[in-house]
Amino acid sequence: GAVVSQHPSWVICKSGTSVKIECRSLDFQATTMFWYRQFPKQSLMLMATSNEGSKATYEQGVEKDKFLINHASLTLSTLTVTSAHPEDSSFYICSARPGIAGGPRETQYFGPGTRLLVL
Amino acid sequence: GENVEQHPSTLSVQEGDSAVIKCTYSDSASNYFPWYKQELGKGPQLIIDIRSNVGEKKDQRIAVTLNKTAKHFSLHITETQPEDSAVYFCAASRGGTASKLTFGTGTRLQVTL
Repeated sequence: GAVVSQHPSWVICKSGTSVKIECRSLDFQATTMFWYRQFPKQSLMLMATSNEGSKATYEQGVEKDKFLINHASLTLSTLTVTSAHPEDSSFYICSARPGIAGGPRETQYFGPGTRLLVL
Repeated sequence: GENVEQHPSTLSVQEGDSAVIKCTYSDSASNYFPWYKQELGKGPQLIIDIRSNVGEKKDQRIAVTLNKTAKHFSLHITETQPEDSAVYFCAASRGGTASKLTFGTGTRLQVTL
């Protein structure tokens, strides 16, 4: 149980294009999903918190117009990196937290990550 | 905000030995402490967690201890195996539906034969 998937697992794109990453909770409903960014050999950096049906809450220093987040359903959240540049290249990981009926409220289950390379 | 420190940054043990990773936190209101294992190129996997109303929790070869007074918690892995080699992250949060996880800096564990 508690499986989170991400798609795609890796993507290469040209500078200036937009890239969409999907995060799905496969066997539970996630009222809250989180998006993280991780640089090589570093810890996870929280980018934003997304609640189903409402606007995402971004962490300080994260450009909301650059990283668009949509949490349209209880099992799907998307992160769109707009006008991507080489400095956006990173490992993007989502996590999902089950609703009250799905288990402990605090527990976050992580997806496998998406590696983005912007040329 | 919360600050989580993790030590050591790298740890090398021989197969069969025990490994201990320690974390300290700053927010006395934190009450949920998970540990994640991350293998190369993959997302973090929850391996064990503990809440502040419990001092110790064990799951087979893995155990976590919590000292709320000192604001530190530790991960203990016994009888280490090569497949335990990975990066381990501790985290802390206040719990509840609005909580966020604050992660430690990670410990790279290498189990040698």
